[in-house]
Amino acid sequence: DVKVTQSSRYLVKRTGEKVFLECVQDMDHENMFWYRQDPGLGLRLIYFSYDVKMKEKGDIPEGYSVSREKKERFSLILESASTNQTSMYLCASSFATMDRVFGYTFGSGTRLTVV
Amino acid sequence: KNEVEQSPQNLTAQEGEFITINCSYSVGISALHWLQQHPGGGIVSLFMLSSGKKKHGRLIATINIQEKHSSLHITASHPRDSAVYICANSGGSNYKLTFGKGTLLTVNP
Repeated sequence: DVKVTQSSRYLVKRTGEKVFLECVQDMDHENMFWYRQDPGLGLRLIYFSYDVKMKEKGDIPEGYSVSREKKERFSLILESASTNQTSMYLCASSFATMDRVFGYTFGSGTRLTVV
Repeated sequence: KNEVEQSPQNLTAQEGEFITINCSYSVGISALHWLQQHPGGGIVSLFMLSSGKKKHGRLIATINIQEKHSSLHITASHPRDSAVYICANSGGSNYKLTFGKGTLLTVNP
């Protein structure tokens, strides 16, 4: 089975801190994604990457950046954490043919609290 | 713009009942996904389908491409089925999914 592993299950950080959320997948998937999940808003895409060193903004990229130096690892960076970034963060990976997305797999999530 | 709507938002059932959750979407798809999230838990992919019907245990997912509609059915529901169920589709994109806001299912013993 594909595994998507997020480095922390729960995280508490202070306002203004730089925060790194790490995600690793073990099935050689090209695509990796970072989402945040908030009550009443559902899952929203922050950034995604379709190849090493390639990235594209999702729907809510403000306040975030990402890094993909190796195919298996996709990092989400909060440059200066703020309280409105308190949320559940989910990483996912997939592979895609010309017309279909396959094997969409999610990590267990990181619940980040910014105080 | 690809929009995904789920209904109902909340659903309470008694153990043993047959449950249906609906999903409608606005943009033609390459595949539709059903996901499950238990309280405090991560997200698990239940089904990916692009036509017809799929079955896994007590779970059945159907899709009608012409009507842009999918349903998730749970037969003989059990309290352990209590979770948020989310549908998502790719809306023609090779990479990104658009998600519904989820249906919170509570099955009482």
